[in-house]
Amino acid sequence: QKEVEQNSGPLSVPEGAIASLNCTYSDRGSQSFFWYRQYSGKSPELIMFIYSNGDKEDGRFTAQLNKASQYVSLLIRDSQPSDSATYLCAVIWDKIIFGKGTRLHILP
Amino acid sequence: DTAVSQTPKYLVTQMGNDKSIKCEQNLGHDTMYWYKQDSKKFLKIMFSYNNKELIINETVPNRFSPKSPDKAHLNLHINSLELGDSAVYFCASSQGLAGPTDTQYFGPGTRLTVL
Repeated sequence: QKEVEQNSGPLSVPEGAIASLNCTYSDRGSQSFFWYRQYSGKSPELIMFIYSNGDKEDGRFTAQLNKASQYVSLLIRDSQPSDSATYLCAVIWDKIIFGKGTRLHILP
Repeated sequence: DTAVSQTPKYLVTQMGNDKSIKCEQNLGHDTMYWYKQDSKKFLKIMFSYNNKELIINETVPNRFSPKSPDKAHLNLHINSLELGDSAVYFCASSQGLAGPTDTQYFGPGTRLTVL
């Protein structure tokens, strides 16, 4: 059974610090990995995707992928209160499977 | 311009009723999806259509019936609604199907409450 695991949180991080969100997945046959952000009462929106081992940076966000360890993470630098949301990890095999999300709370 | 739109935004109904949710995308995408997000915020795929053809049909009660009249529209009809159907239903679209860069674009969601 293909699964995507995330710590549900909440993860509390002081404003200006680095927030680190983690995701593990069960099957090595996955092709690509996505991070979505979902504000309360809103729909998920894409932050970034990654499909090669290593790091991918986009502004304050960095996705890190380690296929050998079946691990993908999202780092948010200089965390802002507006980053407070639920972050969903998604993995594509023959279909997309979402993790249950990690609630992030940035403390002003 | 709304990329993926859903109607209605809220739906409150009694157990046993039949209801429909409509979805339209103007992104020119080939694939559309229905997701259910429960009270614990778990987002789970229900159905996927690619060019009007059903591709993914998860373990969903057959009271749920999707219909895709064309590749820009995907509707969801639910018969004999039950309390456990209460959730937020999201429509989404993507260019391809499960490809490496197939970003999902979500609609605003329909909050269904069954009384």
